[in-house]
Amino acid sequence: DAGITQSPRHKVTETGTPVTLRCHQTENHRYMYWYRQDPGHGLRLIHYSYGVKDTDKGEVSDGYSVSRSKTEDFLLTLESATSSQTSVYFCAIGRQGQETQYFGPGTRLLVL
Amino acid sequence: EDQVTQSPEALRLQEGESSSLNCSYTVSGLRGLFWYRQDPGKGPEFLFTLYSAGEEKEKERLKATLTKKESFLHITAPKPEDSATYLCAVQAPRDDKIIFGKGTRLHILP
Repeated sequence: DAGITQSPRHKVTETGTPVTLRCHQTENHRYMYWYRQDPGHGLRLIHYSYGVKDTDKGEVSDGYSVSRSKTEDFLLTLESATSSQTSVYFCAIGRQGQETQYFGPGTRLLVL
Repeated sequence: EDQVTQSPEALRLQEGESSSLNCSYTVSGLRGLFWYRQDPGKGPEFLFTLYSAGEEKEKERLKATLTKKESFLHITAPKPEDSATYLCAVQAPRDDKIIFGKGTRLHILP
């Protein structure tokens, strides 16, 4: 998984609670991405970062926020989890925006 | 709107039966087209990047090709371990984002 870890790997939470997912890389790549993967939709970009404290929205950013205070860590926060946010979340990294992205192992999130 | 369409959605082949997966796109000014393999419960694993029409890349039993409107992933004499979902993604010239197709689920029967 190209030096990318995600934590937790599995989480069950209740509607309305905040949830934070962590992505950690050891590759010193500039770009980091958060995707969600759902049946029938494929991978959809939530947010991405192009440097420390530099982030931008993706296709499905509503209800999510991100932070990147260090090159190696990119946090995804569900401010108030809803059942529609039940999904598998993948983090990816890339040296530059134009280049290949490498994916982490994923986090399975279930919101009850 | 930029779109990526993969076909077929699912494909079952006998071991040794060669075939091709298709990825068609509507992005103008393509910066790159990517193929990934994804096993159940795991993250996508990078296979190939193609940048211009006519380009080809090979890895073991897989060969990816690119035209101005589509890409093919050719699988020659597949083995059961080639069973996976294959994802195609494209990058438009406007920004740093990548658009993924929904994938083709490939099942190779022994």
